[in-house]
Amino acid sequence: DQQVKQNSPSLSVQEGRISILNCDYTNSMFDYFLWYKKYPAEGPTFLISISSIKDKNEDGRFTVFLNKSAKHLSLHIVPSQPGDSAVYFCAASPMYSGGGADGLTFGKGTHLIIQP
Amino acid sequence: NAGVTQTPKFRILKIGQSMTLQCTQDMNHNYMYWYRQDPGMGLKLIYYSVGAGITDKGEVPNGYNVSRSTTEDFPLRLELAAPSQTSVYFCASWDWRTEAFFGQGTRLTVV
Repeated sequence: DQQVKQNSPSLSVQEGRISILNCDYTNSMFDYFLWYKKYPAEGPTFLISISSIKDKNEDGRFTVFLNKSAKHLSLHIVPSQPGDSAVYFCAASPMYSGGGADGLTFGKGTHLIIQP
Repeated sequence: NAGVTQTPKFRILKIGQSMTLQCTQDMNHNYMYWYRQDPGMGLKLIYYSVGAGITDKGEVPNGYNVSRSTTEDFPLRLELAAPSQTSVYFCASWDWRTEAFFGQGTRLTVV
């Protein structure tokens, strides 16, 4: 049973427009969420995170929104640039150490393609 | 600050051979993970460790073994390689309420 779901395997967005990547989770114990970016032949790298005490966190062109009641988070990239083309993973962890046993749970990823 | 170091980067194994994928982190993180990523798929957790001497199975542990004798090292052992283990393997380390750091990956082909 997938606890973190990214239902769009791929997303194509025109350069300069907004990219919105979505992530849903089912475990109500999750309270810390992260986004990772992965280029081919490289390991994932951290992008941005959000704690459940917030509903929004911004870092430059990247903003993560959290809707706890809907168990949904989204990553907004504005404006989208060619270098943003990558696979984006959503990850979640529970509110207390050991409660989620394996710590971080990842979604399957969304392949974002920025078209010129 | 090296972060998470994985070796080797590439390896070709014959069916039935064994090998160990090495993973070292220098951030004193308690949590370490091994994932595999198959083509077009997400990250699947193989094994994880919450500290030296403590390991546990993840989603896809069959065919693998791990040990955690020190905080820094978390090697992954493949005993009898099978074609189904052809994948890219990532090691990661993490500590509470921080970001996880990933190694560069090991691309393994079993023929």
